[in-house]
Amino acid sequence: ETGVTQTPRHLVMGMTNKKSLKCEQHLGHNAMYWYKQSAKKPLELMFVYSLEERVENNSVPSRFSPECPNSSHLFLHLHTLQPEDSALYLCASSQSSGTPGDGYTFGSGTRLTVV
Amino acid sequence: DQQVKQNSPSLSVQEGRISILNCDYTNSMFDYFLWYKKYPAEGPTFLISISSIKDKNEDGRFTVFLNKSAKHLSLHIVPSQPGDSAVYFCAASGGYNFNKFYFGSGTKLNVKP
Repeated sequence: ETGVTQTPRHLVMGMTNKKSLKCEQHLGHNAMYWYKQSAKKPLELMFVYSLEERVENNSVPSRFSPECPNSSHLFLHLHTLQPEDSALYLCASSQSSGTPGDGYTFGSGTRLTVV
Repeated sequence: DQQVKQNSPSLSVQEGRISILNCDYTNSMFDYFLWYKKYPAEGPTFLISISSIKDKNEDGRFTVFLNKSAKHLSLHIVPSQPGDSAVYFCAASGGYNFNKFYFGSGTKLNVKP
């Protein structure tokens, strides 16, 4: 596997369910991100992890809980979601260094539907 | 407060012609800009970048222009090909947090054969 891999690709969950999204990067990067993409809206930054420490939480509701056990893996734990949380959730990684470089490498995303 | 704006949600161009995608930003601290391309069911992929010390960067058929005084950048695709049909996002970063990018809402480009 190369690049950034996200699983599952699609997820349908009820409002009372608990599920997790998984992201794995094979690029040796040291920063990982969760973004949310809703229709016709900008990509919204949710969480940033740098060197396995959360460095940013962009006012995300507590029903979204990130976890970064090591520099290659990132999870987003979901519970008691609302229908408006339905969106494409994108994971990205980058090398946190002195220049922006080529920006992020994104995964293919998880299409989440909350019913 | 949206710091990066793409005011055209869609653009349709004939194959072989030029596609021009526009992006405006509000934060004068931004000094690095990227364009990403996204196909359906895939994540965005990096296309081309430009730093604020330049006003133009070219890579094959893709050229990005930066007008710092107007806080405006544009992506030119010449000649456009049907395979270029995708959603294009511009992104900006700057200040001390150069690894944090702000994205526009995207422009969907359709190149007609």
